[in-house]
Amino acid sequence: GAVVSQHPSRVICKSGTSVKIECRSLDFQATTMFWYRQFPKQSLMLMATSNEGSKATYEQGVEKDKFLINHASLTLSTLTVTSAHPEDSSFYICSARLAGGWEQYFGPGTRLTVT
Amino acid sequence: AQTVTQSQPEMSVQEAETVTLSCTYDTSENNYYLFWYKQPPSRQMILVIRQEAYKQQNATENRFSVNFQKAAKSFSLKISDSQLGDTAMYFCAFMRVGLGNKLVFGAGTILRVKS
Repeated sequence: GAVVSQHPSRVICKSGTSVKIECRSLDFQATTMFWYRQFPKQSLMLMATSNEGSKATYEQGVEKDKFLINHASLTLSTLTVTSAHPEDSSFYICSARLAGGWEQYFGPGTRLTVT
Repeated sequence: AQTVTQSQPEMSVQEAETVTLSCTYDTSENNYYLFWYKQPPSRQMILVIRQEAYKQQNATENRFSVNFQKAAKSFSLKISDSQLGDTAMYFCAFMRVGLGNKLVFGAGTILRVKS
């Protein structure tokens, strides 16, 4: 149980376009989902926390207008990278947490390459 | 703000041997959890072990155990009988209970198990 999926696993887009990444909890309802960014051989950096039905809370230094997060249902959160640039190329990981729980269940990640 | 420090960027160990990964953290909180996560080449984050700060007994999960020194704010991971499949990046993480239960990760230690 407690499986989280991400789609797509890899995406290549052109500079200036937008790309959407989906995070789904497959067998549980996730009231809270987290979005992380990871550069090669580096740690995970929390970008934002999203709660179902409310606006996401962004970490300091993360551009809200660039990284749009929508948590429309208890099983789906989306991250949209708007007007992507090569410096947005990275590995994006989501995690999901049950209501009242402590454990975060991680998705397999999405590799974004902006050309 | 909480910080997590992993001072060993890379480590290697022979198969079947024991290795210890170091982690220190800084917090003024009293109610928190500490974790070790494993990230193999697939990049899927896997929870290895968890320690609640209020528990004095060190957590153990099969070949994995921790040495939790609360006063020293130290949280090391010992891997016994190392296996080739243990090769991965290992992250120490801190979570303050409440206020969103967000994870703060250390920089990571790359562990290579050699045959």
